[in-house]
Amino acid sequence: DQQVKQNSPSLSVQEGRISILNCDYTNSMFDYFLWYKKYPAEGPTFLISISSIKDKNEDGRFTVFLNKSAKHLSLHIVPSQPGDSAVYFCAASGAGGTSYGKLTFGQGTILTVHP
Amino acid sequence: DGGITQSPKYLFRKEGQNVTLSCEQNLNHDAMYWYRQDPGQGLRLIYYSQIVNDFQKGDIAEGYSVSREKKESFPLTVTSAQKNPTAFYLCASSIGESDSPLHFGNGTRLTVT
Repeated sequence: DQQVKQNSPSLSVQEGRISILNCDYTNSMFDYFLWYKKYPAEGPTFLISISSIKDKNEDGRFTVFLNKSAKHLSLHIVPSQPGDSAVYFCAASGAGGTSYGKLTFGQGTILTVHP
Repeated sequence: DGGITQSPKYLFRKEGQNVTLSCEQNLNHDAMYWYRQDPGQGLRLIYYSQIVNDFQKGDIAEGYSVSREKKESFPLTVTSAQKNPTAFYLCASSIGESDSPLHFGNGTRLTVT
């Protein structure tokens, strides 16, 4: 059962425009959400996170939005740059002391930013 | 320069052989994790350790074993019992709190033929 889903396998955007990557989750116990960026043959790099007590978190060109009622989060990249081209993973972790960073990942979305 | 080191980057083994993947971190993190990535799929948790000399099974632990004798090291053994061992293996660490991000190594690509 896929508890974290990224339904778009790929996204193509023009340089300078906005990239919007989406993620849905089913487990209502998730209370911490993260986005990672990954290049081929490398480990994922942490981008930005959001706690369930917030609905928005911003860091430079990256903004994550959380809609708890819809169990949906999105990552906005503005403006998009060719160096942003990578695979983006959404991840979530649950509440409680046993979570200890156990992340559940989505399948990933390949973002391509064209010059 | 702190980080997580996984070695080797590429590993080839014959079917039926056990193989151990190395993971070392100098971030002074308490928690360490092993994930596996297959094409078109997200990362899946194999094992994790919150503290030295203690570890727990993740979602896909069958056919794998780990040890955590030192804070800095969390080696993963892929045994011959693992039915589909060919994959990209990622080690990660964190400070171990529930809202802390994981920091990943650059992975080991294991190919078993």
